[in-house]
Amino acid sequence: GNSVTQMEGPVTLSEEAFLTINCTYTATGYPSLFWYVQYPGEGLQLLLKATKADDKGSNKGFEATYRKETTSFHLEKGSVQVSDSAVYFCALIGRTGANNLFFGTGTRLTVIP
Amino acid sequence: GAGVSQSPSNKVTEKGKDVELRCDPISGHTALYWYRQSLGQGLEFLIYFQGNSAPDKSGLPSDRFSAERTGGSVSTLTIQRTQQEDSAVYLCASSPTGLAANTGELFFGEGSRLTVL
Repeated sequence: GNSVTQMEGPVTLSEEAFLTINCTYTATGYPSLFWYVQYPGEGLQLLLKATKADDKGSNKGFEATYRKETTSFHLEKGSVQVSDSAVYFCALIGRTGANNLFFGTGTRLTVIP
Repeated sequence: GAGVSQSPSNKVTEKGKDVELRCDPISGHTALYWYRQSLGQGLEFLIYFQGNSAPDKSGLPSDRFSAERTGGSVSTLTIQRTQQEDSAVYLCASSPTGLAANTGELFFGEGSRLTVL
């Protein structure tokens, strides 16, 4: 079956620190992988995606690389800002033509000045 | 507004009562999804609409849950005879054509938080 396991939070970092949020997946076939972000008081929104092995998704200084050999899609940012404080969700679509996104449990990040 | 709108934002009800949750998708989006997020859990898929039909309702947890969509727009999720385990945040999302076509971008509302006492 399809599932996503992501690092438990909450995560608290100082501004300009390096961020990693781990995500591993189980899927049949070749999934597409995503990171969604939910800022306080807002709905989830797509942050970045990768649709095949070795692809790197990037947006707003965040990056994640689709690693088929380790079934991982870890989210990284070199220097976090207070405005990055949010809940981050890893997700996958299990196969071409599927109409369901499978989400992880979310990781809350708080960045302190 | 231009985004996905959900109402009510918060609902407290007594066990055994029925509740209705409403979702207004982004205008022109043909695909609409309902998810549920319980405490400490990931988002749990409930149902997917393409237009007014629901090709995938496999995530509805029991026959107390139903959903409809009219005019290819507004959707209502109804929970009958609510139980305490129904307490969760119910999220609605829409997309222009469905996930299979646009590879993953859903536009979410802020959710309806349901508390069953």
